[in-house]
Amino acid sequence: DGGITQSPKYLFRKEGQNVTLSCEQNLNHDAMYWYRQDPGQGLRLIYYSQIVNDFQKGDIAEGYSVSREKKESFPLTVTSAQKNPTAFYLCASKEDRGSHEQYFGPGTRLTVT
Amino acid sequence: EDKVVQSPLSLVVHEGDTVTLNCSYEVTNFRSLLWYKQEKKAPTFLFMLTSSGIEKKSGRLSSILDKKELFSILNITATQTGDSAIYLCAVEESNNNDMRFGAGTRLTVKP
Repeated sequence: DGGITQSPKYLFRKEGQNVTLSCEQNLNHDAMYWYRQDPGQGLRLIYYSQIVNDFQKGDIAEGYSVSREKKESFPLTVTSAQKNPTAFYLCASKEDRGSHEQYFGPGTRLTVT
Repeated sequence: EDKVVQSPLSLVVHEGDTVTLNCSYEVTNFRSLLWYKQEKKAPTFLFMLTSSGIEKKSGRLSSILDKKELFSILNITATQTGDSAIYLCAVEESNNNDMRFGAGTRLTVKP
């Protein structure tokens, strides 16, 4: 089955710890995205990658880092520098520049205490 | 600053009612506007609009884009409780590969 997977579904961390969220897709999509969703707000773009070994900052990249060493994988690290890391994180992918629709993973809910 | 604004933020209706959700946008290089439905977790795709005045329809849902006035509407007729969700509007820009989302409209359909 083709799709996007995110793991884990729920993640709990202590303040001051870095944490990495996984995102894998087997759709052979070129572009991948990370969004953050807070209550009452839409999706805000953290980072995106259009091709392997390349990525760009979105609107709220501070306190986050990513890598794109493989086409299928786009992990997001939430560092201790992120002031309010507790949120719902969604990963998405898109075929290429010519396509429009993004396909979303099931999300990871991160709680930092 | 580019932005996407949805209204209302929240809406409560009864089954059978018709609703209209609004999305206005200001982006520098418009490419397309997309509507998504988000129930529990991941948003699911509803419509993509690129041309003004052409209605997209899927069952009880329809959507149209006005590129002159920079807005889109999503209509749902004969609403059902299963339509309860957050409806997200997103605008794609042509000069990069990112997408700007609105805050969403939370629709609640009561039996």
